[in-house]
Amino acid sequence: ILNVEQSPQSLHVQEGDSTNFTCSFPSSNFYALHWYRWETAKSPEALFVMTLNGDEKKKGRISATLNTKEGYSYLYIKGSQPEDSATYLCAVGTASKLTFGTGTRLQVTL
Amino acid sequence: NAGVTQTPKFRVLKTGQSMTLLCAQDMNHEYMYWYRQDPGMGLRLIHYSVGEGTTAKGEVPDGYNVSRLKKQNFLLGLESAAPSQTSVYFCASSSSTGSRDGYTFGSGTRLTVV
Repeated sequence: ILNVEQSPQSLHVQEGDSTNFTCSFPSSNFYALHWYRWETAKSPEALFVMTLNGDEKKKGRISATLNTKEGYSYLYIKGSQPEDSATYLCAVGTASKLTFGTGTRLQVTL
Repeated sequence: NAGVTQTPKFRVLKTGQSMTLLCAQDMNHEYMYWYRQDPGMGLRLIHYSVGEGTTAKGEVPDGYNVSRLKKQNFLLGLESAAPSQTSVYFCASSSSTGSRDGYTFGSGTRLTVV
């Protein structure tokens, strides 16, 4: 069982702030890392799938980086909006299955 | 495009009763997964399947059985429900590239065992 750790556990920011979260994982035998956005009462939605060391992905105001040698990934949100409020999940895995972290809960207020 | 559909959405069981949760996907995905989500624990993998007719154990398989007789369906069974199985269950699927592709999740089944 992989140990996937996310920090912080929760975060409260003001509208317009930029923020970032961390996902840490064992660096040996890396295969893929996923980021998901999970809104309350909905199901998780895939944001990024990253496979190569140094990968950088971007979708609108959200971006992610990957360092497989040291075992971490950062998720950045630029200019947070209230609609960004959600839990952000990181998952790391083998070819056939993923292990999820417990998530970072983001709340953005006006 | 329905994606991943889970039935039922809610269920209350008495201890010792049995039930089957159905997951259906219409995306022709090879891989399917069952996770459970508990407060403070994140999503934990129960069982998964890498193709029609195959199943494999995940992180927390005890007390559950699964079947994948058709590619589009993945069934999760509880033979004798226990209060420890009270949870929200999520089904997910991914394409033939497995973890190189983002998962598509169903909307979840909230199960309470009393």
